[in-house]
Amino acid sequence: DVVMTQSPLSLPVTLGQPASISCRSSQSLVHSDGNTFLNWFQQRPGQSPRRLIYKVSNRDSGVPDRFSGSGSGTDFTLKISRVEAEDVGVYYCMQGTHWPRTFGQGTRLEIK
Amino acid sequence: EVQLVESGGGLVQPGGSLRLSCAASGFTFSSHWMTWIRQAPGKGLEWVANIKQDGSEKYYVDSVKGRFTISRDNAKNSLYLQMNSLTAEDTAFYYCARGTTAPGYWGQGTLVTVSS
Repeated sequence: DVVMTQSPLSLPVTLGQPASISCRSSQSLVHSDGNTFLNWFQQRPGQSPRRLIYKVSNRDSGVPDRFSGSGSGTDFTLKISRVEAEDVGVYYCMQGTHWPRTFGQGTRLEIK
Repeated sequence: EVQLVESGGGLVQPGGSLRLSCAASGFTFSSHWMTWIRQAPGKGLEWVANIKQDGSEKYYVDSVKGRFTISRDNAKNSLYLQMNSLTAEDTAFYYCARGTTAPGYWGQGTLVTVSS
């Protein structure tokens, strides 16, 4: 199975400051069709997960542009340019290239 | 508006069975892979199973193979998860989601508790 490793696991951030989460996979996430199925999800307290980013860098509709995704191969990053209070929650990366699909452990973002 | 509504969760004894349902609306259900994902209370996300649009391909995480069966009824816009031989490790919120490579829509989840 592809192991997804996130860091840090806990991320205290001051309001208005940037934040960055790393996600590394144990195998390349480049699919045979050329796509890289690396996604980011946000789970706010008490809510279901919500997809933020798909295929590395494509932001979902309604997701603020302060969220951005980047990376390639086995190394990926989610960046928040200026953290707001509503960003508190747990962030997960997930690979959809290989079976079984796998998630990272999650990164808990809190306001300092 | 895409909606996914899970049901069927509850308290079950170890070794017991439960069938989860997911009612889909707001999109052409038969055109999409569907997924079950679970989350133990206070823990991370775990992909459980996927099923292709026509039900011809199914994939499972190793920990549920031989015990869980994913199925769908495209005429009823519904997804199912039959869970047998349940153990305490299966206690979790179970979410259905649309898609397989990048699940874009999730339901609110249904809680399965396995306990005596």
